[in-house]
Amino acid sequence: NAGVMQNPRHLVRRRGQEARLRCSPMKGHSHVYWYRQLPEEGLKFMVYLQKENIIDESGMPKERFSAEFPKEGPSILRIQQVVRGDSAAYFCASSPNDGAGNQPQHFGDGTRLSIL
Amino acid sequence: DQQVKQNSPSLSVQEGRISILNCDYTNSMFDYFLWYKKYPAEGPTFLISISSIKDKNEDGRFTVFLNKSAKHLSLHIVPSQPGDSAVYFCVSSQGNLIFGKGTKLSVKP
Repeated sequence: NAGVMQNPRHLVRRRGQEARLRCSPMKGHSHVYWYRQLPEEGLKFMVYLQKENIIDESGMPKERFSAEFPKEGPSILRIQQVVRGDSAAYFCASSPNDGAGNQPQHFGDGTRLSIL
Repeated sequence: DQQVKQNSPSLSVQEGRISILNCDYTNSMFDYFLWYKKYPAEGPTFLISISSIKDKNEDGRFTVFLNKSAKHLSLHIVPSQPGDSAVYFCVSSQGNLIFGKGTKLSVKP
């Protein structure tokens, strides 16, 4: 499967714990985006990364959230000290360039995070 | 404040008829739009796009129309099929994507 791979598909955490969400982009794609979808809402942009660089994190909450895309391995979205309001579906997308060439982003199937 | 608005949360259409999904945007600088389709428990899938230099783009049963003066675009599906039943998102591309809230299309046999 050459698509965007996200894991885990479902993640349950208790309040105060840490959540780590992983995303492996499509082969040949070096641009990764994270989006969050709350119930009955559209997806909301969180962060845009290239290998070892955060390009745009304007959609990331200022506290508890961080993202990385290391030279080797998947991109990680990390949420520390989770709260009930963090319950959502988190989607990762990848593209071969920065969108300037209007290449559509390809999405993974998401991680559904539930906070008890 | 929503920059991309889909004012119809749901739409029901008979199989074989035309489905028309509407979308409005607020920023006249937006110049590239996409439609994504999403099934439950899956990620959005790219469907069709349009650049502001065009007013129409067609791909098989799917056609997107763009009216820049009205800041309005629409997606036409004809003929509609039961497999088209999904949530459709209107999206503006600004590098990152700006999504509308989606319209749930139900195509009844």
